[in-house]
Amino acid sequence: QQQVKQSPQSLIVQKGGISIINCAYENTAFDYFPWYQQFPGKGPALLIAIRPDVSEKKEGRFTISFNKSAKQFSLHIMDSQPGDSATYFCAATIDRGSTLGRLYFGRGTQLTVWP
Amino acid sequence: NAGVTQTPKFRVLKTGQSMTLLCAQDMNHEYMYWYRQDPGMGLRLIHYSVGEGTTAKGEVPDGYNVSRLKKQNFLLGLESAAPSQTSVYFCASVVAAWGETQYFGPGTRLLVL
Repeated sequence: QQQVKQSPQSLIVQKGGISIINCAYENTAFDYFPWYQQFPGKGPALLIAIRPDVSEKKEGRFTISFNKSAKQFSLHIMDSQPGDSATYFCAATIDRGSTLGRLYFGRGTQLTVWP
Repeated sequence: NAGVTQTPKFRVLKTGQSMTLLCAQDMNHEYMYWYRQDPGMGLRLIHYSVGEGTTAKGEVPDGYNVSRLKKQNFLLGLESAAPSQTSVYFCASVVAAWGETQYFGPGTRLLVL
């Protein structure tokens, strides 16, 4: 049972465009939602994260939008660049203090930004 | 700091052979994890450890065993490799349950023929 559902599976965006990746979850106990970025041949690395007490978090060109009532969150990449081409994973975790930091990952989105 | 390192980077096994993957971290992290990554499946948790001498099963533990004899090392063993275990294996660590960032190693590509 997939705890976190991610879409689309792949995304092609023109340079300068906006990339949007969506994730949905069912478990309302999730209280921390990170996004990981993975380049080919590398391990995933934390990109940006949000907690459910805020609806949006922005770091540079990367923004997470969070809709608690809909149990959805999304990653927006503004002014997408070829260097952003990577696989992006959303994830969620429950009450990090008691569940051993376990992350539940979406299946990933392969983003290609054309120059 | 080297962060999280994994050995080997790539390995080819024949069905039935055994091997051990080594994960090492130099950040004094308590929690360590083994994931496998398959196309279209994301990252799935195999086993994890909340401290030296302790291990627990994750989402897909069958066919794997783990040990954490030293805090900095987390070993993943395949006793009798099967083609279904062909995958990329990632190790990760985090300072503790309240740690916000899991740090991932570079991965081990395993091909089982």
